[in-house]
Amino acid sequence: AQKVTQAQTEISVVEKEDVTLDCVYETRDTTYYLFWYKQPPSGELVFLIRRNSFDEQNEISGRYSWNFQKSTSSFNFTITASQVVDSAVYFCALKNRDDKIIFGKGTRLHILP
Amino acid sequence: DTEVTQTPKHLVMGMTNKKSLKCEQHMGHRAMYWYKQKAKKPPELMFVYSYEKLSINESVPSRFSPECPNSSLLNLHLHALQPEDSALYLCASSHRTGTSTDTQYFGPGTRLTVL
Repeated sequence: AQKVTQAQTEISVVEKEDVTLDCVYETRDTTYYLFWYKQPPSGELVFLIRRNSFDEQNEISGRYSWNFQKSTSSFNFTITASQVVDSAVYFCALKNRDDKIIFGKGTRLHILP
Repeated sequence: DTEVTQTPKHLVMGMTNKKSLKCEQHMGHRAMYWYKQKAKKPPELMFVYSYEKLSINESVPSRFSPECPNSSLLNLHLHALQPEDSALYLCASSHRTGTSTDTQYFGPGTRLTVL
């Protein structure tokens, strides 16, 4: 069975604080891809990152960083020095060779000014 | 340019109406998708088109009828909908199907309200 768990339903932090969004996945496949999407109040799902199962190198993009650990089946997302514009729902997702994305339930992030 | 456009942004319709949602991409993608998203839930896959042919139908009721006139356009025809069909309808596209490497790029969605 494939599953993505985002245990944090909702998080609130004050602007400029760092925040980490957790993602744990389950799959029997050896080849798979993990994604993070951002959904602001406007509704559009914005692609943030894709990581394949063979590449455990962490990635940093500006204030965003991702920590992929195969040993714990986790793909966590950290926002450094958070800003109000980071307020959104963030979805972690898993995809194998078929065309279906398995989404987590999402984490609603509130950045307070 | 990773842009998928959707029209209209908002749609209110009665249960006896017939309406259509439109989606367009000009990225040369050959796979297009329809998702339904209820409030505070993740998107749920409805249909997948691959090279203009329907490849996946996730047991969607027949009151939703997809159409892919060409590789850039995807429509969703709506007829005799129920109030519980009110949701955000998202379109997505990717280079192709059948590979785990593809990233799906989403449009802004159409917020549908059925009265």
